Amino acid sequence: DVKVTQSSRYLVKRTGEKVFLECVQDMDHENMFWYRQDPGLGLRLIYFSYDVKMKEKGDIPEGYSVSREKKERFSLILESASTNQTSMYLCASRGTQGLETQYFGPGTRLLVL
Amino acid sequence: AQSVTQPDIHITVSEGASLELRCNYSYGATPYLFWYVQSPGQGLQLLLKYFSGDTLVQGIKGFEAEFKRSQSSFNLRKPSVHWSDAAEYFCAVGDSGGSNYKLTFGKGTLLTVNP
Repeated sequence: DVKVTQSSRYLVKRTGEKVFLECVQDMDHENMFWYRQDPGLGLRLIYFSYDVKMKEKGDIPEGYSVSREKKERFSLILESASTNQTSMYLCASRGTQGLETQYFGPGTRLLVL
Repeated sequence: AQSVTQPDIHITVSEGASLELRCNYSYGATPYLFWYVQSPGQGLQLLLKYFSGDTLVQGIKGFEAEFKRSQSSFNLRKPSVHWSDAAEYFCAVGDSGGSNYKLTFGKGTLLTVNP
């Protein structure tokens, strides 16, 4: 079974802190994604990566950056956390052999005070 | 750009009743279509997907969905709902970017199941 793990299930941070959300997948997938999920808004794509050291902006990249130094790991960085970044963050990964399924991690619920 | 509409924010059904969750998409070409389910506190799990071929697709947990191009719809159905089906359901459309397709999600439908 594909496994996508996220470093924390819950995080509480203060405004202005630098926040790192880590995601690891164990299926050698090329594609990895970060979404945020808010009530009534569904999932919105923040950033994605097609390969190591490659990244592309999604629909809502403002206030976020990402890092992909190794194939299995994709990090989301909030350079200076703000209260409007309080949300559920979901990581996902997917291979490129044909039209593969996208798998999601369990999510990190971030509260910024 | 593609978009997905799930017209029903919240649906309540009785256990054993049939279920249909609606999904309409907007996309210029043949879309890739997906239904995911999210149980409370969990990530998303794929129920089923449509890429091409037979327009009626079967998924896990007894769910099925039908692609209707003329109506731009991909509705999810289940003949008899179980209490464990209570969850939030998301429809998604992928652009035809080949193996690098990107998903656009609807806003979700929350399903409540009454005993």
